[in-house]
Amino acid sequence: DAKTTQPTSMDCAEGRAANLPCNHSTISGNEYVYWYRQIHSQGPQYIIHGLKNNETNEMASLIITEDRKSSTLILPHATLRDTAVYYCIVRSPNTNAGKSTFGDGTTLTVKP
Amino acid sequence: ETGVTQTPRHLVMGMTNKKSLKCEQHLGHNAMYWYKQSAKKPLELMFVYNFKEQTENNSVPSRFSPECPNSSHLFLHLHTLQPEDSALYLCASSQESGQRTEAFFGQGTRLTVV
Repeated sequence: DAKTTQPTSMDCAEGRAANLPCNHSTISGNEYVYWYRQIHSQGPQYIIHGLKNNETNEMASLIITEDRKSSTLILPHATLRDTAVYYCIVRSPNTNAGKSTFGDGTTLTVKP
Repeated sequence: ETGVTQTPRHLVMGMTNKKSLKCEQHLGHNAMYWYKQSAKKPLELMFVYNFKEQTENNSVPSRFSPECPNSSHLFLHLHTLQPEDSALYLCASSQESGQRTEAFFGQGTRLTVV
């Protein structure tokens, strides 16, 4: 699976949009981009995933660049409860979903 | 609530003790996993089970012994642990059906070895 690069930390004001970037320049054609988050001392939680089109669900939006070498997770109206470590993962559909490589992620701190 | 339940949530054990961690999923998934997360470190995949069969062991010391009696339950038996084994142990499950899918994680067991 391709390697990803994320900023170590980001801050966001409560109520504003949080935009979390991820670089995955070595992504292969069949690899998906997944995002998970981990709130302190809990298990990771799936957020969203996509292949090449932008995706939106009740939690977030995922914007993938046309060349697929980077993506952005958008939390449209961040709340204090969104403070967590966010992981960007690239994975082949042929690899078990639970065999994801979790790097260091981005620590998002939402401030009042 | 993710549908993956781990017990106990917290465990303190001595280095000579034997204990077991339990994971249960009611999602009908066919794959289960154990992860270890030490302080300030990324998650490390320990074991993978597909259809109750162990398909991956990532060089985990033998003092950690997994067991998967059926597709809904996964255990991690612990014996003669070291203080450096203190960590958050996470269980996950997924439905591996050839379609893109995601993993569901439990809340973890916080293990302290004294």
